[in-house]
Amino acid sequence: DGGITQSPKYLFRKEGQNVTLSCEQNLNHDAMYWYRQDPGQGLRLIYYSQIVNDFQKGDIAEGYSVSREKKESFPLTVTSAQKNPTAFYLCASSIGPTGQPQHFGDGTRLSIL
Amino acid sequence: KNEVEQSPQNLTAQEGEFITINCSYSVGISALHWLQQHPGGGIVSLFMLSSGKKKHGRLIATINIQEKHSSLHITASHPRDSAVYICAVRRVGGADGLTFGKGTHLIIQP
Repeated sequence: DGGITQSPKYLFRKEGQNVTLSCEQNLNHDAMYWYRQDPGQGLRLIYYSQIVNDFQKGDIAEGYSVSREKKESFPLTVTSAQKNPTAFYLCASSIGPTGQPQHFGDGTRLSIL
Repeated sequence: KNEVEQSPQNLTAQEGEFITINCSYSVGISALHWLQQHPGGGIVSLFMLSSGKKKHGRLIATINIQEKHSSLHITASHPRDSAVYICAVRRVGGADGLTFGKGTHLIIQP
């Protein structure tokens, strides 16, 4: 079955370390997205990519970086510059950028040790 | 003020009851999405609307573009419907991706 795979499900990071969250999709979707979810808040857009080798900042991109070298993959790096990285991170994809239904992964919960 | 507001924030009901969750937004949109998030965190897309009404099984979603309001209804509610229901919009002219409400936490008791 087609879908989005995020790994790992739980991730722990020491302060000062960078960490990379994986997102892979086999839906042949062009657009991919990273969202952050904090308790009591709605999801917020970190980065998005409409096509391979291109990506754009979302509403809360500071302290994060992404790459889109392959259509299937959109990894998110949480850098040491991100002041409050503890959160639930969701990856999503859609056929194109113009509001089509988005498919979501199961998320990665990142905690700081 | 958030661009997408949902009500109620929390809702507990008995099995079989008719459920309504409301979503109001304050920006121009090209589409509105209703999503379901289960306790493990995964999110499933239920509906995408740009006008009118859609129905899937016991779920019905409506949107009134003029009033900038959408509702999600669940008929004959069941404990397996317990989840967080999230309204999200795609803003016209905004960054790509969706703008989300904070969600409605629904509990259906047997």
